[in-house]
Order: sequence, then structure tokens, then C-alpha cells
Amino acid sequence: DIQMTQSPSSLSASVGDRVTITCRASQSISSSLNWYQQKPGKAPKLLIYAASSLQSGVPSRFSGSGSGTDFTLTISSLQPEDFATYYCQQSYSAPITFGQGTRLEIK
Amino acid sequence: QVQLVQSGSELKKPGASVEVSCKTSGYTFTSYAMNWVRQAPGQGLEWMGWINTNTGNPTYAQGFTGRFVFSLDTSVSTAYLQISSLKAEDTAVYYCARRYCGGNCYTDYWGQGTLVTVSS
Repeated sequence: DIQMTQSPSSLSASVGDRVTITCRASQSISSSLNWYQQKPGKAPKLLIYAASSLQSGVPSRFSGSGSGTDFTLTISSLQPEDFATYYCQQSYSAPITFGQGTRLEIK
Repeated sequence: QVQLVQSGSELKKPGASVEVSCKTSGYTFTSYAMNWVRQAPGQGLEWMGWINTNTGNPTYAQGFTGRFVFSLDTSVSTAYLQISSLKAEDTAVYYCARRYCGGNCYTDYWGQGTLVTVSS
């Protein structure tokens, strides 16, 4: 199975900050990497697919980059509604696996 | 618009069975596979497997074989998850989520989740 490791596990930041979350795969997954946002009590929401493609309706302050084993999710200017948990997911091969999540909290 | 609406919360005793439904609308049900994802309390997301809505062929992740069954009723555009011989550790929120595959695959629409609580 492909292991996905996110860092950091948690992060405190302020509104307006630029934030980067990283995700590392245990083997190359090309660009088969997706990012999701989950708020408490809600279903995950797709933000980025194929490493860098912005899902329709997602604000442009979210961006993704990377290929192979190393990927990043960047939020250019944090907004109050961005405080949530973020997960990466590889869809390169079964079983699909998720990172452990990064909890983004208000400083 | 695309919607996945899941059945309500369930409270079950150990050893019982439960069925979670996922009724879809706003798209052609058989054109997209359906993933199932588990989230235990306070934990991360765990992929359980998926079902091909065209053929009905399921694929189960390791750890979700035997007691877990994915099924479909294409006449009502609904997917089902059945769990038998429930254990306390099955307590979790279960999500259905549409699987989109173009050049890459991803999960673009999710149900709201169904909390299954297993307790005596």
C-alpha cells in the first residue's frame, strides 16, 4: 500500500497568513494526488485534484503543486472559513489512501 | 445539481446488522462508481472500497472483507452499505462518495455521512 504522510499534523495561523501543508507519498504517484477540506461534523470537500487543478467553485487562494512523491497545498491568504482539517489522498493505485490530516487552527 | 443523500444515524447492538443507503440525484447513476469511506470518532478518513455502478462489481479494501457488502439498486439510483456482525469498533461515520475518473480519479461529491453507533 502507498503510505501518505502529511506535515505538520497541526498548525496555528492567523487570518491573512500564507500557509503551506505538505504531503509525501511512500512511492511515486505521478500527479494522482487530491486535497480535501473537512470541517467538524461535515463531509470532506474536494479542493484540488490531480495535484494542481482547482475544483470548480473553490476560491483561487487555494493552490496545489508537486508530482512524484512530494506535494504541497498552499492557502495564499487565510480566511476565517479556512480553519478546518485538510487531507491529501492518492488515487494512483488501490487501495486509495489518505494522509493522516492537518488540523489548521486559529492563532 | 448532484446530490448524495444518506440514511439517518443508527444505534445498534453488537452482533446486529445495519444497512446504510446513499440515494443519488442530478447525474446518471451508472456513469460513476461509488466509493465508501469510514471515519472513526476523532480519526482520519479510511477508504473502504468502491463499487462499479455499471456492473455491480465491488472492490473491498483490506480490513473490509467478509462483514461489509456494497450493493446497488440502479432503478432508484441508490447505493447501499451493509455491515453484519457489528462490533464496537465499527462505530464511525460512513460516507458514500462519487468517484470521478478522467485522466485522474478523485472523489468529487460526498454524502452527508451516516453515524453508526454500536453499543450494548
